Amino acid sequence: AQSVTQLDSQVPVFEEAPVELRCNYSSSVSVYLFWYVQYPNQGLQLLLKYLSGSTLVKGINGFEAEFNKSQTSFHLRKPSVHISDTAEYFCAAQGGSEKLVFGKGTKLTVNP
Amino acid sequence: GAVVSQHPSWVICKSGTSVKIECRSLDFQATTMFWYRQFPKQSLMLMATSNEGSKATYEQGVEKDKFLINHASLTLSTLTVTSAHPEDSSFYICSASRDYGYTFGSGTRLTVV
Repeated sequence: AQSVTQLDSQVPVFEEAPVELRCNYSSSVSVYLFWYVQYPNQGLQLLLKYLSGSTLVKGINGFEAEFNKSQTSFHLRKPSVHISDTAEYFCAAQGGSEKLVFGKGTKLTVNP
Repeated sequence: GAVVSQHPSWVICKSGTSVKIECRSLDFQATTMFWYRQFPKQSLMLMATSNEGSKATYEQGVEKDKFLINHASLTLSTLTVTSAHPEDSSFYICSASRDYGYTFGSGTRLTVV
């Protein structure tokens, strides 16, 4: 079964600094990968997804992620963060016809 | 784009009563919807998969008699927490699948007192 690992439970950064949130998934023949953002007491909003094709995926709010098959990673990056990016970020993976599996989440805190 | 509406956004109920949460796909038909539970500062735990016109598929450890799921139409799935107790207090989120992606509702904060 698919599993997703987000090694960093919390990531504090200063405003306008770059950030990378790490995500690794268990190997699968074919896998769909997602990043979601959750603001307090709200549902999940899709930032971006990788289904196939280009390994560099661009999403909303200036975020991007790169699918790396050899390292089974799908790290999320943003070159310059804002205070409003403070939120919980979840990486998720789906292998074939399996269920969507979430990582434990990374709390991003952007400080002024 | 695909929108999923979840209602209510928060509810407080007395112990022993039942609470119904609705999940609607507003601009698309969802043959499959999913119900998750999220504990504070934790990830989402899939409770069940709701299939239109058939019985829901529950994950291991989830009491199907306590968490009743009904998917009566292609746009509506409901989760009823029966005889709620304080330990059922949590954040419940629904989602619907479409085009190899998932759209999530805004969640329901349930507090049982």
